[in-house]
Amino acid sequence: DAGITQSPRHKVTETGTPVTLRCHQTENHRYMYWYRQDPGHGLRLIHYSYGVKDTDKGEVSDGYSVSRSKTEDFLLTLESATSSQTSVYFCAISDQGLPGELFFGEGSRLTVL
Amino acid sequence: AQKITQTQPGMFVQEKEAVTLDCTYDTSDQSYGLFWYKQPSSGEMIFLIYQGSYDEQNATEGRYSLNFQKARKSANLVISASQLGDSAMYFCAMRDSGANSKLTFGKGITLSVRP
Repeated sequence: DAGITQSPRHKVTETGTPVTLRCHQTENHRYMYWYRQDPGHGLRLIHYSYGVKDTDKGEVSDGYSVSRSKTEDFLLTLESATSSQTSVYFCAISDQGLPGELFFGEGSRLTVL
Repeated sequence: AQKITQTQPGMFVQEKEAVTLDCTYDTSDQSYGLFWYKQPSSGEMIFLIYQGSYDEQNATEGRYSLNFQKARKSANLVISASQLGDSAMYFCAMRDSGANSKLTFGKGITLSVRP
């Protein structure tokens, strides 16, 4: 199994508070991704990274920021959490372009009250 | 922009029967890859099968095969001899060949296998 760790795995917070989710990999893979999963929407890309300090937006990036200061860590930050950001967040990694299978973390369930 | 469409409602299949899960896609790229992932109720994402746009043969992995029809832009997953453990959500996804390519997912299909 690919070495991916997401933390925290579960978090409950209140509207307006900042939240940071961490994705840590031990595979030295170049690409890292943050997705959110919501019923009826599948997995939607929030942000991704193709190298240290190289990041780009996905389709649902509003309200989120990311940072990647070293290969192994990709942080997702909600500056001011809203109830619409209640979701399950998945981190994924890949070592190359095509074919480039993605390996997923176990997910982080975030509830914003 | 890439788009993946999975429109089937929840699917049901009898144990030991075959089932086809539909996926259509839209892209202007010539080089791309198509993936299927399985998500059981426990929540983890499990890679099943991959098809490259230039692959001449349909991909197969054990009981999984991908019915790739490039002209119709479809990439249907066929599961043969269904098992109870196949009950899960299934996602089709696509990735282009760009240097900074990303994986775009469909909304998923729920499959239930009946004993």
